[in-house]
Amino acid sequence: EAQVTQNPRYLITVTGKKLTVTCSQNMNHEYMSWYRQDPGLGLRQIYYSMNVEVTDKGDVPEGYKVSRKEKRNFPLILESPSPNQTSLYFCASSPLTGGGETQYFGPGTRLLVL
Amino acid sequence: DQQVKQNSPSLSVQEGRISILNCDYTNSMFDYFLWYKKYPAEGPTFLISISSIKDKNEDGRFTVFLNKSAKHLSLHIVPSQPGDSAVYFCAARPNRDDKIIFGKGTRLHILP
Repeated sequence: EAQVTQNPRYLITVTGKKLTVTCSQNMNHEYMSWYRQDPGLGLRQIYYSMNVEVTDKGDVPEGYKVSRKEKRNFPLILESPSPNQTSLYFCASSPLTGGGETQYFGPGTRLLVL
Repeated sequence: DQQVKQNSPSLSVQEGRISILNCDYTNSMFDYFLWYKKYPAEGPTFLISISSIKDKNEDGRFTVFLNKSAKHLSLHIVPSQPGDSAVYFCAARPNRDDKIIFGKGTRLHILP
């Protein structure tokens, strides 16, 4: 089954404690991306990657890091989480062929930073 | 500064009638526009897209219209069904290899 998986689905942590949210896709997609969803702000892109070892900043990259060492994985790293990073996070992937291509989203990771 | 705007946070429509969700954009470099649907506790799912070289794309009950001169697109759902109750995100990208920019979303309620 084609899917994007994220782990963990729920996470409560404290300020300053490094954490990683994993993302994996099984569709051989080149493009992967991380978003955060906040009330009244919609979906905002954090980072995206167009292929292995190619990453770029989205609209809200501050406080986040990513890596793309393998095509299928795109982890999101919070080196020193702060309460303003409490949010719902979505990973997504898509192919780079054609026009109007779709993104497949993961189920989301709800993060609470105390 | 929002490049993709969905000015209606919510919309209520009677079951069986037409739902029209609107989206405006400011960046004339956008080439592709997409609509996503999101249920609570799930990730967004792709609904329909349109290239900037077209003015209409239809898929079953869903039709997207693009008015480039007005920098406006709309999603029509007809007839509306209870399962259409969700949050709808309008999104745009400057070209197929670049980042996607989402609007804030519109919550659609289909009334029985």
